[in-house]
Amino acid sequence: KQEVTQIPAALSVPEGENLVLNCSFTDSAIYNLQWFRQDPGKGLTSLLLIQSSQREQTSGRLNASLDKSSGRSTLYIAASQPGDSATYLCAVCRDNDMRFGAGTRLTVKP
Amino acid sequence: GAVVSQHPSWVICKSGTSVKIECRSLDFQATTMFWYRQFPKQSLMLMATSNEGSKATYEQGVEKDKFLINHASLTLSTLTVTSAHPEDSSFYICSVGQGAGDTQYFGPGTRLTVL
Repeated sequence: KQEVTQIPAALSVPEGENLVLNCSFTDSAIYNLQWFRQDPGKGLTSLLLIQSSQREQTSGRLNASLDKSSGRSTLYIAASQPGDSATYLCAVCRDNDMRFGAGTRLTVKP
Repeated sequence: GAVVSQHPSWVICKSGTSVKIECRSLDFQATTMFWYRQFPKQSLMLMATSNEGSKATYEQGVEKDKFLINHASLTLSTLTVTSAHPEDSSFYICSVGQGAGDTQYFGPGTRLTVL
């Protein structure tokens, strides 16, 4: 059974810092891994999708890496801003199953 | 955390058939439920948000008359894909929450294949 773990559970940083969020999974037989952002009371917003054959994806200040063999992914956020404050979720997907981590609650202080 | 189930886990149907997908919150009073879909090799996308006892709010580009959402109780929401066509083949996943600021819990998803 796939288990997805995210560390840390919560993170608070001052504005401008670069930061890394971690996601680990127990079964490396995945089709893709996704990073999402969740704002309070809102649905998920997809940030980055990494196919199993890829090693990283970039979008603006975000960079996500995937090391399938070790069961790890990181989300790097450069020059953090208060607007980045949200919960960040990673999810691994196979054919009929998607497993989410519990998320990292990020607070960026002005 | 809450336990969320979806039924069926996968379904294959003929074009023109209407398909109902259930999302149940087994031990959690879900005032808000979200429905997502994911096409092959694409990211998960939010379709609609529903609050118990009121109409769902659909995301831009999602046809409300085609994807009927009923959130009649705090433990059950249904998504009905009316007159399904092959382009509706996708992975549908629901999540439940208690509203603003609350953690969401996700169902395992439903794979719909329309022939």
